[in-house]
Amino acid sequence: SYVLTQPPSVAVAPGRTAILTCGGNNIGHKTVHWYQQQRPGQAPVLVIYYDTDRPSGIPERFSGSNSGNTATLTISRVEAGDEADYYCQVWDSSSNHAVFGGGTKLTVL
Amino acid sequence: QVQLVESGGGLVKPGGSLRLSCAASGFMFSDYSMGWIRQGPGKGLEWVSYMSSSGTDIFYADSVKGRFTISRDNGHNSLYLQMDSLRAEDTAVYYCARDRNTAAIFDSWGQGTLVTVSS
Repeated sequence: SYVLTQPPSVAVAPGRTAILTCGGNNIGHKTVHWYQQQRPGQAPVLVIYYDTDRPSGIPERFSGSNSGNTATLTISRVEAGDEADYYCQVWDSSSNHAVFGGGTKLTVL
Repeated sequence: QVQLVESGGGLVKPGGSLRLSCAASGFMFSDYSMGWIRQGPGKGLEWVSYMSSSGTDIFYADSVKGRFTISRDNGHNSLYLQMDSLRAEDTAVYYCARDRNTAAIFDSWGQGTLVTVSS
């Protein structure tokens, strides 16, 4: 089955740029979606879909890219409120399964 | 606005059954595919099941296939998850979520319902 790999944690100072990665075999051939979960048990929020698109209401500071074996969520000018767990997700058409990465906890220093 | 409200969670013994419900409002439920996603204690998100808008396409995670059954009632704007032969590892918060574009993009989520499997 398809596997998505995310680093467990990333730390960044306020105002700096956070780069969160999501690794998968030829993930560039798939479309990647990203979710923010402020606290475990709280409903996740879609922040990027189709690799680069932002739902309405998501700040322009959030952007995405996807190429080769790595997809990336970039958060510019990080704020304290961005501290959360972030999950990448794809649809694996070979198995007809949705697959989530293990999540990255973003800490704002 | 889009609202998804799960119910039916609770404490159940191993081997037991539960039926989760998800009441949808604020959008044309019959036009959207839906999914169930769970999160075990201290763990990440795990996809459980997916159903197309008409119900013709149904998919399950390997971990629940043969034990869980997803269904929907478009007339009542509701999604269901029948969970049988429950195991301790099924303990989790279960979320229902709407698929944005029939592409497994989960753009709206409920608040979740807790299922605890324990003797």
